[in-house]
Amino acid sequence: DTGVSQNPRHKITKRGQNVTFRCDPISEHNRLYWYRQTLGQGPEFLTYFQNEAQLEKSRLLSDRFSAERPKGSFSTLEIQRTEQGDSAMYLCASSYASQSTGELFFGEGSRLTVL
Amino acid sequence: AQKVTQAQTEISVVEKEDVTLDCVYETRDTTYYLFWYKQPPSGELVFLIRRNSFDEQNEISGRYSWNFQKSTSSFNFTITASQVVDSAVYFCALSEAEDNFNKFYFGSGTKLNVKP
Repeated sequence: DTGVSQNPRHKITKRGQNVTFRCDPISEHNRLYWYRQTLGQGPEFLTYFQNEAQLEKSRLLSDRFSAERPKGSFSTLEIQRTEQGDSAMYLCASSYASQSTGELFFGEGSRLTVL
Repeated sequence: AQKVTQAQTEISVVEKEDVTLDCVYETRDTTYYLFWYKQPPSGELVFLIRRNSFDEQNEISGRYSWNFQKSTSSFNFTITASQVVDSAVYFCALSEAEDNFNKFYFGSGTKLNVKP
């Protein structure tokens, strides 16, 4: 198993551009999470999927953010009209539903820099 | 309100010293889970331990030990005989029954520097 994979690892963009990040979870995991981490802070919850259903979204997730998991496998996180405040590390994690209180398996993250 | 507080921003120790990382949590749920994760310089958070609210037994795993005290809402992590490889940022996290354990609240982390 290759673990949780995220692409791209780094993205530099100009303010106002759209960006998309992809997450490939561990294959047998049906839960997928997106978190955002800014410098010196812990991860903050953004959204969560069980299979293809997006079951919860944080208040942090403005209308410019959209996440999908079309076939219950990989997920994408799109940020439209990026702002400098969107600069952060975007972390994806996955887990087993049957282990709903168990550990999260994190990817290495996608670092976004908005100029 | 911050659900998980890690007051120590950064700690530096010399190899072989013992070090304790503090974690204080806040919840109104009677059922919850507490976690510790390690984030090495490579960036990937790695699970260390999970403890549920009904189990206040302390746990030891090699050089690592955890002290869970509901009376003080604390879940502290001790590394005995620290090593350079322990250098990382350590996060304490909370998951609550109220959120169906679907959401995890992380503290701001404690950066541990272990010097040779």
